[in-house]
Amino acid sequence: DSGVTQTPKHLITATGQRVTLRCSPRSGDLSVYWYQQSLDQGLQFLIQYYNGEERAKGNILERFSAQQFPDLHSELNLSSLELGDSALYFCASSVGGSGTYEQYFGPGTRLTVT
Amino acid sequence: AQSVTQPDIHITVSEGASLELRCNYSYGATPYLFWYVQSPGQGLQLLLKYFSGDTLVQGIKGFEAEFKRSQSSFNLRKPSVHWSDAAEYFCAVGLMNYGGSQGNLIFGKGTKLSVKP
Repeated sequence: DSGVTQTPKHLITATGQRVTLRCSPRSGDLSVYWYQQSLDQGLQFLIQYYNGEERAKGNILERFSAQQFPDLHSELNLSSLELGDSALYFCASSVGGSGTYEQYFGPGTRLTVT
Repeated sequence: AQSVTQPDIHITVSEGASLELRCNYSYGATPYLFWYVQSPGQGLQLLLKYFSGDTLVQGIKGFEAEFKRSQSSFNLRKPSVHWSDAAEYFCAVGLMNYGGSQGNLIFGKGTKLSVKP
């Protein structure tokens, strides 16, 4: 158990819909990262927050957004869903904001868009 | 651009045999390197990391990795594989930007390990 929690574990929704994925980092970690894992693209970095502020963006679509709240939990919002958004979404956390810190991953949310 | 290459998509070894998984990276500065393991339906677990110093690093579950700057490699090894090691293994490089205040991991495509009894 990494100490990072993600909800829900599974999510099935229809095209065009909007969903919210939730992540609670390990106690003491200030940085939260979101990654998408798909068969064709592998593990792709989406976005990073550090102590409530957005710090880095990767291959995140404009239809996707995220935020980190004062209690440091984070939410990833996916809207106007398409079939290609079906993937495993991971949240990770680390003490610091640099990619040189160890990142601890949650169990993931499996999103299926039908 | 930074990148990580894992040349082997799938490797099969016999239980008790030795294992080496290859990883090559492309990064302009001193790399911070990681190996993660993902069991089916699970999240990623950190096996080991290299930041600096001794080029041979020890990790959990009996794994070790050797950093070779001249070859831009960070190969993962285990002397004797157990059936429970069957999983997918990911090599990653950690980025550091803007004075260390932001960064993320760049992952390789992964190597799936199967273990024969």
